[in-house]
Amino acid sequence: EVQLVESGGGLVQPGRSLRLSCAASGFNFDDFAMHWVRQFPGKGLEWVSGISWNSGNSGYADSVKGRFTISRDNAKNSLYLQMSSLRAADTALYFCVKEASWRYFDLWGRGTLVTVSS
Amino acid sequence: DIVMTQSPDSLAESLGERATINCKSSQSVLYTSNNKNYLAWYQQKPGQPPKLLIYWASTRESGVPDRFSGSGSGTDFTLTISSLQAEDVAVYYCQQYYSTPYTFGQGTKLEIK
Repeated sequence: EVQLVESGGGLVQPGRSLRLSCAASGFNFDDFAMHWVRQFPGKGLEWVSGISWNSGNSGYADSVKGRFTISRDNAKNSLYLQMSSLRAADTALYFCVKEASWRYFDLWGRGTLVTVSS
Repeated sequence: DIVMTQSPDSLAESLGERATINCKSSQSVLYTSNNKNYLAWYQQKPGQPPKLLIYWASTRESGVPDRFSGSGSGTDFTLTISSLQAEDVAVYYCQQYYSTPYTFGQGTKLEIK
């Protein structure tokens, strides 16, 4: 079955760190760029970060640049998001997303919830 | 950043009626070298992740019913559901993938009248 399964979310205090993981299955993971997209409690969607198939290129939203780091391990079919200096504004449901061959997003995981609160 | 603005914010139509959702981008998402609009539509049902419906502004994803159609070019786009079904109740988002940061519209909530 083609799927993405996120993990690693939880309740964390402001200023602390958290690492999200995404396990991919059912497709050739190393053929595709991957992304993290988050959904705020008010339901808005925000692209967070993306990484190319070979980790050669990555990009970040300004809101997370310098605090979040995206990475992948193609041997483990896994995507990661290292989040540091977390803020209340980072509270959201984080989706792991597969990019189709031409940049739109054709597969989404069910998400992992990150809550930043003291 | 390209700002995506959808209208209306919410919409209620009767079963079998046509539903139309609009999306406007703050700058063109038409890439002239290949004449493609870098615009996608997603459907999100309660408790589920977004699902790709339309890409390249008008190409239906495999398995999406043909009552869903997309149109438009440049900065103005439309998602049309030709005959509303009960299972179409959802929030719909447009998204530009022309340039990073990829941005989404605020969403349009579709309900049955």
